[in-house]
Amino acid sequence: GAVVSQHPSWVICKSGTSVKIECRSLDFQATTMFWYRQFPKQSLMLMATSNEGSKATYEQGVEKDKFLINHASLTLSTLTVTSAHPEDSSFYICSARPPLADVTDTQYFGPGTRLTVL
Amino acid sequence: QQPVQSPQAVILREGEDAVINCSSSKALYSVHWYRQKHGEAPVFLMILLKGGEQKGHDKISASFNEKKQQSSLYLTASQLSYSGTYFCGTEIITGNEKLTFGTGTRLTIIP
Repeated sequence: GAVVSQHPSWVICKSGTSVKIECRSLDFQATTMFWYRQFPKQSLMLMATSNEGSKATYEQGVEKDKFLINHASLTLSTLTVTSAHPEDSSFYICSARPPLADVTDTQYFGPGTRLTVL
Repeated sequence: QQPVQSPQAVILREGEDAVINCSSSKALYSVHWYRQKHGEAPVFLMILLKGGEQKGHDKISASFNEKKQQSSLYLTASQLSYSGTYFCGTEIITGNEKLTFGTGTRLTIIP
């Protein structure tokens, strides 16, 4: 199956700083990637859809200016959490689906990034 | 609106069977099932498409009732490795690829 990587695996930062998380599709090109956030013992909540070469589409209630998404190439999308606060501490996961995928194909997830804001 | 899964949690002994249900309030095009271990990313299990199909591999199978907007995941003769949290991901519009994940079911298999 397709492989998606994320970097870093975990990050601890001070309140008020910005953190960048990278999501890469290693063996396929992805025009669309998805960013999710997962709090402990909860489900995955879609934050935004990252579109290569255009603006991201954010889900209702997600602050665009706080969670900056850049999809500069067909294999890389970045999520920057700006002015992070303790309530932003969470598990952030990206996913991508290979293009021209068979309808029976699915999204492939990166390993996730655990963000802890002190 | 988030699909509702039932049960929320279940504990089984190794070798027992389990059924996990996923119910949506919206018309579905496809249902994707994933298993997530603690601290890890979800791992894809299978996808079911509109058309009421049922499929499976090994001892894990699933069904999709598009009229009721429900899907069920069946785990037979459960193994210790089946422990984890199961999520259904639902797609409501063909082609937009966006998945909405269910509330999750925590499955614990004990020896």
